[in-house]
Amino acid sequence: GQNIDQPTEMTATEGAIVQINCTYQTSGFNGLFWYQQHAGEAPTFLSYNVLDGLEEKGRFSSFLSRSKGYSYLLLKELQMKDSASYLCAVSDSNYQLIWGAGTKLIIKP
Amino acid sequence: IAGITQAPTSQILAAGRRMTLRCTQDMRHNAMYWYRQDLGLGLRLIHYSNTAGTTGKGEVPDGYSVSRANTDDFPLTLASAVPSQTSVYFCASSPGTSGREYNEQFFGPGTRLTVL
Repeated sequence: GQNIDQPTEMTATEGAIVQINCTYQTSGFNGLFWYQQHAGEAPTFLSYNVLDGLEEKGRFSSFLSRSKGYSYLLLKELQMKDSASYLCAVSDSNYQLIWGAGTKLIIKP
Repeated sequence: IAGITQAPTSQILAAGRRMTLRCTQDMRHNAMYWYRQDLGLGLRLIHYSNTAGTTGKGEVPDGYSVSRANTDDFPLTLASAVPSQTSVYFCASSPGTSGREYNEQFFGPGTRLTVL
């Protein structure tokens, strides 16, 4: 079967750095997406990786290793507004998105 | 309007009743999707439509039906609601029909549905 694994919950301190990991097993691979979802709101697109390596976008970076079936989202200089759930999703061989359950990130002052 | 709208925002429904959740987008996106989100399970695809006039079944289609008469609207109907359909429902759309443009999805604000 297809599955996406990510930690259920993480806690970090304001101003620090946090890394949220995602491992996947899917039938085929056509890209990996990270979405941010604040409580009670809709998911919003954060990043996309299809080739191995690091993609940087401001305070957020996303890394992909296709051979290891592994990605991480790196958040730097954490702010209270970064408290949210972070969803990892993989596009499979049929371009269907397979979603992880999400990682709830709690930022403490 | 800009983006995707959903109606109603929330609804409490008696079991056995019929209910239609509305979704409208004004971005002229080709593809549209309906998901349900339950605690601990992540987003699960109910139905999708790659273009007006076509629909397909997702991971959890039973008890739900959709139609896509035009590009903008994609209603989701629960023919006879059951308590297990209590969930948050998100409509989404994407501009393309393949690749990243197909998978980079834009979400509506969601409908919180409770079936008693």
